[in-house]
Amino acid sequence: AQTVTQSQPEMSVQEAETVTLSCTYDTSESNYYLFWYKQPPSRQMILVIRQEAYKQQNATENRFSVNFQKAAKSFSLKISDSQLGDTAMYFCAFMKPSGGGADGLTFGKGTHLIIQP
Amino acid sequence: NAGVTQTPKFQVLKTGQSMTLQCAQDMNHNSMYWYRQDPGMGLRLIYYSASEGTTDKGEVPNGYNVSRLNKREFSLRLESAAPSQTSVYFCASSGRESFYNSPLHFGNGTRLTVT
Repeated sequence: AQTVTQSQPEMSVQEAETVTLSCTYDTSESNYYLFWYKQPPSRQMILVIRQEAYKQQNATENRFSVNFQKAAKSFSLKISDSQLGDTAMYFCAFMKPSGGGADGLTFGKGTHLIIQP
Repeated sequence: NAGVTQTPKFQVLKTGQSMTLQCAQDMNHNSMYWYRQDPGMGLRLIYYSASEGTTDKGEVPNGYNVSRLNKREFSLRLESAAPSQTSVYFCASSGRESFYNSPLHFGNGTRLTVT
């Protein structure tokens, strides 16, 4: 079974700063997918960014980027120029390549990110 | 597009009462899931259904039953609610044709309190 570990229960930074959320995972699979989800106070689960393990290039989506270190099984999320609207719970998640069924997402416990004005 | 619709949004039960959480998706997805979210625990899989007519246990199935009524609907039933089942419940669905855009489509959650 896969495990996903987020070692930072809570983080707080000032608006406009850059913040990095850490995530490590454990798997025996060689190919898989990794994701970061954002959950604002509205409870909605929003996909922020995805990474396919066989792609060496780190994914980026506007102010969000990842540092994917496959050998170290590390998948950190960097948020640049942080904004008040980035305040949310952030979940790291793992999925095996077969997708669906028993291979639904395995989530970490989450990091509560607070952006201070 | 409605996506994944969960009802109700909020519910308060007394210990021992029963209830069914409803979930429907309009994206023609094969797979559907029920997760629970607890503070400090992330989202944990309760049950999933890989296709119409099949259901399987996830990580935390005890105290729950599910029904995949048809391809659209996947319900979660608490037969005798316990305070330990106080949580936020999420239904989700996935389909391989939409996987690249979003691996899971989530409903907006049900906050359940058992007193």
